[in-house]
Amino acid sequence: KNEVEQSPQNLTAQEGEFITINCSYSVGISALHWLQQHPGGGIVSLFMLSSGKKKHGRLIATINIQEKHSSLHITASHPRDSAVYICAVGGGSQGNLIFGKGTKLSVKP
Amino acid sequence: GAGVSQSPRYKVAKRGQDVALRCDPISGHVSLFWYQQALGQGPEFLTYFQNEAQLDKSGLPSDRFFAERPEGSVSTLKIQRTQQEDSAVYLCASSSNQVYEQYFGPGTRLTVT
Repeated sequence: KNEVEQSPQNLTAQEGEFITINCSYSVGISALHWLQQHPGGGIVSLFMLSSGKKKHGRLIATINIQEKHSSLHITASHPRDSAVYICAVGGGSQGNLIFGKGTKLSVKP
Repeated sequence: GAGVSQSPRYKVAKRGQDVALRCDPISGHVSLFWYQQALGQGPEFLTYFQNEAQLDKSGLPSDRFFAERPEGSVSTLKIQRTQQEDSAVYLCASSSNQVYEQYFGPGTRLTVT
């Protein structure tokens, strides 16, 4: 079993829909990261959180430490949100990240 | 520079060739990480530097992989006698502190033919 599990693996939505991507992890962590990766591009960090909730524009990330679960929400989705969203957890003294396999989101106009 | 840069962006190597991948971290960032991302998978940890010291190389898949950061800034990931299974995107990330947010470079896509 992977230490970081994401669902769904693939997600297709219509423009304007509310989107939720889930992440569950099985290891102790110091922080959880949500990352965005466009095709052919590098990775952009969206959020780093260790408790509660963070909001940036149309993106909201929440984490429940007790349940070892996090969600990434996108409100009023837009085709430019189409990308792979990756959940990663950081733990231990050195901070290297353990990644989920990613959720491929496609938002249709 | 403004962000983490990597070169080359794309590399095609024939099986058995040696390759060297370069990472320029954000100036002043102490921590530097290398990750390998196979097609359709999430990245996986390869190795970690704090300044010039390689503190963890447990993720390097074989002794054909070697990384260095001699002056605590630029890092090079070298792969000797490349194999087809080495084909992947190699990502570099830097951070001002090992538990802080990591900033990723654009990656180097290596294809071994």
